[in-house]
Amino acid sequence: AQKVTQAQTEISVVEKEDVTLDCVYETRDTTYYLFWYKQPPSGELVFLIRRNSFDEQNEISGRYSWNFQKSTSSFNFTITASQVVDSAVYFCALIPLYNQGGKLIFGQGTELSVKP
Amino acid sequence: KAGVTQTPRYLIKTRGQQVTLSCSPISGHRSVSWYQQTPGQGLQFLFEYFSETQRNKGNFPGRFSGRQFSNSRSEMNVSTLELGDSALYLCASSLLAGGPDTQYFGPGTRLTVL
Repeated sequence: AQKVTQAQTEISVVEKEDVTLDCVYETRDTTYYLFWYKQPPSGELVFLIRRNSFDEQNEISGRYSWNFQKSTSSFNFTITASQVVDSAVYFCALIPLYNQGGKLIFGQGTELSVKP
Repeated sequence: KAGVTQTPRYLIKTRGQQVTLSCSPISGHRSVSWYQQTPGQGLQFLFEYFSETQRNKGNFPGRFSGRQFSNSRSEMNVSTLELGDSALYLCASSLLAGGPDTQYFGPGTRLTVL
């Protein structure tokens, strides 16, 4: 089965706290790509990061960081020193390259609320 | 470079009617995909078009159809609307089809069926 699970439906933090959003995936493919998108209240999905299955190096972009671990099929996303503007729904997604073409398989999303 | 644009942004229809949604991809992008987002089912893939050909299709009834024009612009059509078709319809564009290219999304069309 090709599947993405985001077990955390909602998370609420106070500004400046660090927060980690969990993502666990399932795929039979050995080559696949993982993505994170942010959906603010306006509705548009904003691309954050893409990672392929052969690159397990963690990535940091400003206050954002991603931890990819093939051994546990996880691709977690951490926001350091959260801000109110980080409030949004965050989606983890998977493209298993050979079985699904260009079809993004999304998790159910995690709604992050950052309170001042 | 302009992003993905979708028109209209909001639409209200009644059951039984049909609707056409439009999507203009990022300049140079040749692949357009459509997704439906509902509170119950989340984000689900509808179809993907590349070079005016449907390359991939999700598990939706035949009432959902689409097409792509030679300038890569795409439309999707829903006939005989049902209440359950109320959703946010998102269009995404990427350079190529059927692969791992990043898909960039438009603002969506929010369809309400009464």
